[in-house]
Amino acid sequence: NAGVTQTPKFRVLKTGQSMTLLCAQDMNHEYMYWYRQDPGMGLRLIHYSVGEGTTAKGEVPDGYNVSRLKKQNFLLGLESAAPSQTSVYFCASSYPFGVTYEQYFGPGTRLTVT
Amino acid sequence: AQSVTQLGSHVSVSEGALVLLRCNYSSSVPPYLFWYVQYPNQGLQLLLKYTTGATLVKGINGFEAEFKKSETSFHLTKPSAHMSDAAEYFCAVSEGGGSNYKLTFGKGTLLTVNP
Repeated sequence: NAGVTQTPKFRVLKTGQSMTLLCAQDMNHEYMYWYRQDPGMGLRLIHYSVGEGTTAKGEVPDGYNVSRLKKQNFLLGLESAAPSQTSVYFCASSYPFGVTYEQYFGPGTRLTVT
Repeated sequence: AQSVTQLGSHVSVSEGALVLLRCNYSSSVPPYLFWYVQYPNQGLQLLLKYTTGATLVKGINGFEAEFKKSETSFHLTKPSAHMSDAAEYFCAVSEGGGSNYKLTFGKGTLLTVNP
């Protein structure tokens, strides 16, 4: 099993450009999450999904959109990138809470917005 | 609302010395507590977790943590540091099921192990 994979691994955008980050998991997990990691800030939840076709806002959702059209995929979109969105983005997935308690993380996407 | 405070953004120890990484939490209900480890340029990996039951939990790579409700703490320890323990460590809390299964992470503690 590949676990959680993220595409791309690195990306450089100019201010105002758009892009989509793809997260895929092969563990049949119901829940999926997008986090951003910034130095000294830990991980902050952007958006999450508790099942196919459902999404919800996390702690820092502004400037991002998400879609979960298939159970195994969770897409994070930036419609108009800003330098403040320079970060490392992590996707994670899990079973419903109480089945297990672990979130499984992907390797991350390093995004730079100039 | 749940929150996590990790005391010390950077901890440096000598190889063979005790590792102690501090974590205090705030939660309105009995919490679920986690420690994750992040090696350079990698994603996060679960080190150990407290859900219910025994308050001293053991994890991978010789780490353990003790849930102390009276102190609202969940400090991570390892008796003898190894060079391979150098990484960033994150404490996280969840208030559990329903809509509260989301994790809230601390800001992280970078552990350096000196030879």
